[in-house]
Amino acid sequence: ETGVTQTPRHLVMGMTNKKSLKCEQHLGHNAMYWYKQSAKKPLELMFVYNFKEQTENNSVPSRFSPECPNSSHLFLHLHTLQPEDSALYLCASSLQTDRSGANVLTFGAGSRLTVL
Amino acid sequence: AQTVTQSQPEMSVQEAETVTLSCTYDTSESNYYLFWYKQPPSRQMILVIRQEAYKQQNATENRFSVNFQKAAKSFSLKISDSQLGDTAMYFCAFKGIQGAQKLVFGQGTRLTINP
Repeated sequence: ETGVTQTPRHLVMGMTNKKSLKCEQHLGHNAMYWYKQSAKKPLELMFVYNFKEQTENNSVPSRFSPECPNSSHLFLHLHTLQPEDSALYLCASSLQTDRSGANVLTFGAGSRLTVL
Repeated sequence: AQTVTQSQPEMSVQEAETVTLSCTYDTSESNYYLFWYKQPPSRQMILVIRQEAYKQQNATENRFSVNFQKAAKSFSLKISDSQLGDTAMYFCAFKGIQGAQKLVFGQGTRLTINP
């Protein structure tokens, strides 16, 4: 375990469903991220939050809605998804104020999403 | 925009052999960070090794070492005395100093260590 916990680990949903993915970290990190991992494609950054404020939205469709109520929790709300949204969704966190500047990411195990 | 390319989708070696994974990148920045992450089957992605571009000495972490060629924009990972537990997807990643916390990943190399 890396200290970043994602739930659920697996989710199957229909295109009309509403569901949420949850990410939690207690590493004292102040930045949190959502990445999408699809087969044979590089990881795609979706959203970045620094100190609970969204600092990046990488042209993600509005059917994905992030929420960051505090520095330890991050949600991804899902609504009217498409089959092509099926993927592994990875949460990560980092210490934005890392003096080295490396800003090393710590990842969760991911939520495997299947959209029928 | 920065790009990272891993030209080997899959590799397979015997246990105890040495294997080198390739990575090239493109950037106009002079200082940046490079990383190798490992994602074992059904497990979390973890950092293997990192290199800061202004440091000429290649980073080493136990059996893992890199060959950083800044002029060629190449950042390969060498795994010595490979073990079954090294079986995983390996991702090369780039992070600029000036930009936001955007980590750019390569497509990954699936490495299998055979007994």
